[in-house]
Amino acid sequence: DTGVSQDPRHKITKRGQNVTFRCDPISEHNRLYWYRQTLGQGPEFLTYFQNEAQLEKSRLLSDRFSAERPKGSFSTLEIQRTEQGDSAMYLCASTISGGFNSPLHFGNGTRLTVT
Amino acid sequence: DQQVKQNSPSLSVQEGRISILNCDYTNSMFDYFLWYKKYPAEGPTFLISISSIKDKNEDGRFTVFLNKSAKHLSLHIVPSQPGDSAVYFCAASADFGNEKLTFGTGTRLTIIP
Repeated sequence: DTGVSQDPRHKITKRGQNVTFRCDPISEHNRLYWYRQTLGQGPEFLTYFQNEAQLEKSRLLSDRFSAERPKGSFSTLEIQRTEQGDSAMYLCASTISGGFNSPLHFGNGTRLTVT
Repeated sequence: DQQVKQNSPSLSVQEGRISILNCDYTNSMFDYFLWYKKYPAEGPTFLISISSIKDKNEDGRFTVFLNKSAKHLSLHIVPSQPGDSAVYFCAASADFGNEKLTFGTGTRLTIIP
């Protein structure tokens, strides 16, 4: 399977704990995106990387959120001091930059539940 | 401020008939539009896209129409098949080659056998 892989699929944590999610993009894709989707809403942009450089962060991404993409391959998204409002599906997507016919390819997401 | 709107949360269509899903947008800077399909417990899957320089794009059973003056696009699926039952998201981008997408809230399509 050469699609976008996300781990874990599900995470249940208690409020105040830290969590980290991992995303492995399609190998030749140089752009990697993180989105968040809550119930009844479409995915919302959080941040994206071109290779290892984080080029943009949404205002939705508070100081408790940090994302990295060391060496331009896999990426991690960490949430510190989780809050119940962080409960959502976190989606990772990848693509090759600059092409008209290069839509985002999404992984199956990590569903976070904060109790 | 919802810049991409899908006003129909759900739609039911008989198998073999045409399904029409609608999407409206407010940001005149949007110039690239996409439709994604999502099954439960899976990530969104790209279906079809259209640039603002076109008003129609076809791919097999799927056709997207863009009306820039009305800031409206629609996805036509014909003939509809049971496997088309899913949630459909409309998405838009303001920069060609920039994949920072703004999504609508989705329309759940159910195909009735």
